[in-house]
Amino acid sequence: GQNIDQPTEMTATEGAIVQINCTYQTSGFNGLFWYQQHAGEAPTFLSYNVLDGLEEKGRFSSFLSRSKGYSYLLLKELQMKDSASYLCAVRDQDFNKFYFGSGTKLNVKP
Amino acid sequence: DVKVTQSSRYLVKRTGEKVFLECVQDMDHENMFWYRQDPGLGLRLIYFSYDVKMKEKGDIPEGYSVSREKKERFSLILESASTNQTSMYLCASHDREYEQYFGPGTRLTVT
Repeated sequence: GQNIDQPTEMTATEGAIVQINCTYQTSGFNGLFWYQQHAGEAPTFLSYNVLDGLEEKGRFSSFLSRSKGYSYLLLKELQMKDSASYLCAVRDQDFNKFYFGSGTKLNVKP
Repeated sequence: DVKVTQSSRYLVKRTGEKVFLECVQDMDHENMFWYRQDPGLGLRLIYFSYDVKMKEKGDIPEGYSVSREKKERFSLILESASTNQTSMYLCASHDREYEQYFGPGTRLTVT
């Protein structure tokens, strides 16, 4: 089976750093993805990890440890527009299916 | 610029009606997906298709069917809509390389 866990909601202050964790237990693994979803909109791709380590893209970084079944998304220099839900998704081993966590709603306060 | 479009942003249907949700992608992707998204439950896979006329059930296929007659178009069909199918429906496509691309979503209300 597939089990992907993330915190339901987090609050952080503008300008700060926030880390959103994701743990997974899946029968197969071929990459972990992070998506951002603003209220009422479609998810948009943020980052992708298939090997262990840190991937950095501007203010956003994502980390993966396959042995621990663990990933995090790090957001630096938070801006009000970063208020959104962040979805963690695991792609299965035959490239065809993605399994999503329930999402973490991030509230950025002034 | 990649694009996935869905036929409607908002839809209101009555219980028992047959409902068609259309999705079109212009990226020549092989894989297409239908999800529903409900608060606290995240995105749940209904069906996906990896080629024309090919389909596979996802995690929650009951009450739904799909059609893929052309590579760019993937339709979700609710044979007899019920109130528990009120949800946000998201279509996505994928080229087996990296991420999925999502359409804007259809918010369906069944009354």
